[in-house]
Amino acid sequence: LAKTTQPISMDSYEGQEVNITCSHNNIATNDYITWYQQFPSQGPRFIIQGYKTKVTNEVASLFIPADRKSSTLSLPRVSLSDTAVYYCLVGPVGNTGKLIFGQGTTLQVKP
Amino acid sequence: DSGVTQTPKHLITATGQRVTLRCSPRSGDLSVYWYQQSLDQGLQFLIQYYNGEERAKGNILERFSAQQFPDLHSELNLSSLELGDSALYFCASSVQLAGVNNEQFFGPGTRLTVL
Repeated sequence: LAKTTQPISMDSYEGQEVNITCSHNNIATNDYITWYQQFPSQGPRFIIQGYKTKVTNEVASLFIPADRKSSTLSLPRVSLSDTAVYYCLVGPVGNTGKLIFGQGTTLQVKP
Repeated sequence: DSGVTQTPKHLITATGQRVTLRCSPRSGDLSVYWYQQSLDQGLQFLIQYYNGEERAKGNILERFSAQQFPDLHSELNLSSLELGDSALYFCASSVQLAGVNNEQFFGPGTRLTVL
């Protein structure tokens, strides 16, 4: 099972672009990279998922280099409401859908 | 709103007691997952059910059990409660059993406090 390493915390200011990098040196060939967001006292929410190169949706972009040993979640022009914990997950985990969460990155957006 | 409902929202009970947490998945979702989130352990997978059958187990204590009913709602039963069982319990659901595009939708959680 690929282990992920993320910064424990990050600070940013409103309007800035935030990049959160996740290391996953032991990623397997059939693993995808998925990011979830969690606000205090709420359940996690799916943000984005990718396998290689770049994926973009309405809320974020995910950059994955060719070796796939790391990935970067990019949040454009953050606002105070983006203050949350961001989890990087690598899987699939066997033939079930269970998610293995690491410690996550606590992003604090300041005015 | 994820479409997943959990009841009750808060639960306060005493050590040694038994409680039942309830989860209704999104309409059409066959998989239900239970997760526990505590301050010291983070977010941990407990158990997964798919269409009424248990499909995966995580770090779930023997004092805990779960089931998924024919209408696909699920219940997590916690017995002989200890102080350390105090946590947020999340239920999530997804359409599939597994797979990389198997986005999970989490409910608002049940906050359990054991005194």
